[in-house]
Amino acid sequence: DQQVKQNSPSLSVQEGRISILNCDYTNSMFDYFLWYKKYPAEGPTFLISISSIKDKNEDGRFTVFLNKSAKHLSLHIVPSQPGDSAVYFCAASPNFGNEKLTFGTGTRLTIIP
Amino acid sequence: EAGVAQSPRYKIIEKRQSVAFWCNPISGHATLYWYQQILGQGPKLLIQFQNNGVVDDSQLPKDRFSAERLKGVDSTLKIQPAKLEDSAVYLCASSLSLRQGSTEAFFGQGTRLTVV
Repeated sequence: DQQVKQNSPSLSVQEGRISILNCDYTNSMFDYFLWYKKYPAEGPTFLISISSIKDKNEDGRFTVFLNKSAKHLSLHIVPSQPGDSAVYFCAASPNFGNEKLTFGTGTRLTIIP
Repeated sequence: EAGVAQSPRYKIIEKRQSVAFWCNPISGHATLYWYQQILGQGPKLLIQFQNNGVVDDSQLPKDRFSAERLKGVDSTLKIQPAKLEDSAVYLCASSLSLRQGSTEAFFGQGTRLTVV
């Protein structure tokens, strides 16, 4: 039972344009959501998070949007840069922090120069 | 600041053999996690420690997997005996204490295990 779903295994975006990565979840107990970025042969690195009491969180070029009623979140990267090419994982937790994170299957983002 | 250290980076073993992975978390991080990432999937939590106590091991296959965190610092994850389906990357991560309000987890580079 995949409780966190990333339905797009890959995405290609032109440099300078907006990248939008999507994530859906089924467990209504999830209260805290995170995005991790992973380069080949490295461990995932934390990118940005959002609590369920918010619908938007912004950090530089990265913005995460949360739609609780639709159980959907998205990560926007504007403008996209070649260094953003990586696998992005959406993760969810039943409470603030990293307790029992459930990860999605990841989306491979490729930025085309 | 040194990151999470894991060894070995790669390991190839035959099925039914045993294997052990080692993790040294970031200094001062009380919470330590072991994740299993099978190819094409997201990381799955196997076990979570708070200092040297287990917080959650509900997804750890306890008939063959074991983990310990002696003295609340380094940790080892062992598989005995290994099966073909254990082929995966094993990721260790650490974060500040749950009681302090967790911050993001920092991951090591992982150990890629291939069981043949």
